[in-house]
Amino acid sequence: GAGVSQSPRYKVAKRGQDVALRCDPISGHVSLFWYQQALGQGPEFLTYFQNEAQLDKSGLPSDRFFAERPEGSVSTLKIQRTQQEDSAVYLCASSLLAQSSTDTQYFGPGTRLTVL
Amino acid sequence: GDSVTQMEGPVTLSEEAFLTINCTYTATGYPSLFWYVQYPGEGLQLLLKATKADDKGSNKGFEATYRKETTSFHLEKGSVQVSDSAVYFCALTRNTGFQKLVFGTGTRLLVSP
Repeated sequence: GAGVSQSPRYKVAKRGQDVALRCDPISGHVSLFWYQQALGQGPEFLTYFQNEAQLDKSGLPSDRFFAERPEGSVSTLKIQRTQQEDSAVYLCASSLLAQSSTDTQYFGPGTRLTVL
Repeated sequence: GDSVTQMEGPVTLSEEAFLTINCTYTATGYPSLFWYVQYPGEGLQLLLKATKADDKGSNKGFEATYRKETTSFHLEKGSVQVSDSAVYFCALTRNTGFQKLVFGTGTRLLVSP
């Protein structure tokens, strides 16, 4: 079956531009996560959705970052006024259950954002 | 806060050699522990997991045992193959609240023929 998909796979933005990154989770998955992975580092948590509700946004680095999942399926991560330090791979993951620490998270291929 | 520490790479081995990648963690309570693998050009995928102390996770010849007394979850494989070349990430989730993953920095494994 289809896995988690993300688009675009690569995005180059000029500093100050706004960008929108899309995530299509596995159908029927309740939980959706966004992570940020800097070069040579492990992924770091950004935000969590349970269906359409954003229950945890403690990892968003600034108020320039905004995420939504309005119908409980597709999610969009928006970054306003991009800065060079926003350059990273943005990973989306989904899992079937809500608030289960043992449930497997399935990751998409990521969007590599480069801010010039 | 919660954290995961992995041995730095790259780890370079010859085919059929024994592999150990060390992972230790700091967390309150009893986290669940995971190893994820990232093959070149591909996304992260779960390799194995263990959800309580003394559990052993295993998959594709890889094993890791959840050791609460040493707060460790070392990854082992008896005989590596060239196709095992990848980046390996150790991670944990808390057993309460949302299951966000806390990752280590990753260890690159290079296996030569």
